[in-house]
Order: sequence, then C-alpha cells, then structure tokens
Amino acid sequence: DIVMTQSPLSLPVTPGEPASISCRSSQSLLHSNGNNYMDWYLQKPGQSPQLVICLGSIRASGVPDRFSGGGSATDFTLKISRVEAEDVGVYYCMQGLQAPYTFGQGTKLEIK
Amino acid sequence: EVQLVESGGGLVNPGGSLRLSCAASGFTFSEYSIHWVRQAPGKGLEWVSLISSRGGHIYYADSVKGRFTISRDNARNSLYLQMSSLRAEDTAVYYCARGGQYCGGDCYSGYFDYWGQGTLVTVSS
Repeated sequence: DIVMTQSPLSLPVTPGEPASISCRSSQSLLHSNGNNYMDWYLQKPGQSPQLVICLGSIRASGVPDRFSGGGSATDFTLKISRVEAEDVGVYYCMQGLQAPYTFGQGTKLEIK
Repeated sequence: EVQLVESGGGLVNPGGSLRLSCAASGFTFSEYSIHWVRQAPGKGLEWVSLISSRGGHIYYADSVKGRFTISRDNARNSLYLQMSSLRAEDTAVYYCARGGQYCGGDCYSGYFDYWGQGTLVTVSS
C-alpha cells in the first residue's frame, strides 16, 4: 500500500499570513499521462470532508484562489496564500492512483 | 443538488453485523463509482471500499476484507455496506462519497467530489 506522510501535523497561523502543508508518498503518484494522482481535502469542524484540490493542483469548484497545490511524483504541497478564519480544520492528502486509496494523517490548521 | 444520505448506523456487539445504506439523489447514480470512507472518533480518514458504476469492480481495504461487502442497487439509487464480524476497531463514522470523473478536464476517478454527512457505527458490549 502507498503510505502518505504529512507535515506538520499541527499548524497555527495568524490570519492574513501564508500557510504550507507538505505531503510525501511512499511511491510516485505521477501517472504516465503526466498527471499526479493525488488530492487534498479539508474537514472543517463538525463537517464532512470536502475536496480542495484534485490531480495535485486543480482547485475544486468554489475553492478560493488563495489555495494552490503543487509538487510532483512523491512530494506535494498545499499552500494558502493568506489564511482566513474559514480555512480552519484538518487538511488531508490522499493518493488516488490505486486501491487501497490512502490518506495522510491530517494537518490541523488553527488560527493563532 | 447532489445528495448522499447514509443510514443504518448504531450500537452493535463485537462479532455482530450491521448493514449501512447510502441514498443518492441529484445525479445519475448508475454513472458513478461510490466509496465508503470511515473515521474513528478523533482520528483521521480511512478509505474502506469502492464499487464501480455498474458493480463490476470492487475493492476493499485490507482491514475489512472478508468481513465487509459493498453492493449497490442502481434502480434504487442506493449503496450498501454489509458489515459482519464487527470489532471494536470498526467503531467510526462511515461516509459514502461519490467518485469523481473529471478533474480540470482530464479523466480522473481517484477523488471524491461529494460526501454524505456520515453515520456512526459503535461496536461495543
């Protein structure tokens, strides 16, 4: 199984400041078609998870452009250019290359 | 509006069985793969199972293989998860999630674009 490892696990951020979450996979998620088969999800407090980024860098519908995903193969990053209060919650990376799909441990973003 | 509504959760004894359901609406159910994802109390997300749009392809996490069975009824727009030989470590909120089809114009099914609200399964004596 592909292991997804996130860091940091806790991320306190001042509103208006940037934030960055790293995700590393135990094997390459780069498909032969040139796309990286990984996604980012946000689970806000008390809610179901919601898609933020698919294919490593494509924002889901309705996701603000302050969110950006990058990286390739085994190293990926989710960046928030200016954190807002509504961005708090736990962020998960997930590989969608092969079953069993696997998530990272989650990164809890909180406001300082 | 796409909706996924889980039901069937509850308290069950270790070794017991439970059947979860997920009722879908707002989209053509028979055209999408559907997943079960669970979350133990205070823990992270764990993918459980996948069934393809017509049921021809099914996958399970090793942790549930041989104990859980995923199925679907496209005529009823419903997904099911039959759980047996339940263990304390199966205690979790179980979400059904729709598998995606396209991301940024590229064909890609390895993501979940809609999630239900979840149903809690508690395995305890």
